[in-house]
Amino acid sequence: GQNIDQPTEMTATEGAIVQINCTYQTSGFNGLFWYQQHAGEAPTFLSYNVLDGLEEKGRFSSFLSRSKGYSYLLLKELQMKDSASYLCAGAFSTDKIIFGKGTRLHILP
Amino acid sequence: DVKVTQSSRYLVKRTGEKVFLECVQDMDHENMFWYRQDPGLGLRLIYFSYDVKMKEKGDIPEGYSVSREKKERFSLILESASTNQTSMYLCASRYRVQETQYFGPGTRLLVL
Repeated sequence: GQNIDQPTEMTATEGAIVQINCTYQTSGFNGLFWYQQHAGEAPTFLSYNVLDGLEEKGRFSSFLSRSKGYSYLLLKELQMKDSASYLCAGAFSTDKIIFGKGTRLHILP
Repeated sequence: DVKVTQSSRYLVKRTGEKVFLECVQDMDHENMFWYRQDPGLGLRLIYFSYDVKMKEKGDIPEGYSVSREKKERFSLILESASTNQTSMYLCASRYRVQETQYFGPGTRLLVL
């Protein structure tokens, strides 16, 4: 089956930049989603990458390399409200979305 | 905006009870999903449905069943609740394949 791997936890400082990596198996891969999930709340959509390269949306950017089976989410000018879990999810030709276990991001003042 | 609602935010049930979790979406989405989310395990797919009266097993369907009689409503049924079904249950919908899923607020179920 397809595995989605991402770090369990990361810590960064307010105002800094953090990069959250995600790797996946390339077989049958179609695209990659990033979601943000605050504690006790539902995941909310951040980005969807299908093509190689960087896509920027304000303070958040997402990168994809299809050949390397690799993606990252880049958060700039970190704010305390960015403390959350970030879920990487792969879309595959089986029509399933496979979620990683999430990266819990802690922001320090 | 897409709205996905779930019947309860918090639910406490006893072992052996039959439990119904309901999910409604208001955007005419074809596809609907039920996940459970547990610490350290992430989101795991229980069942999904591509259309009315259609259902497909996900990764962990044991102990669960689903019903989709109307396009906007997808119900998850725990036929006989057990303590290992204590979890956060999340419903999601999407318009079609390769588009994002929209999640409901979740139901935190405690089975005693």
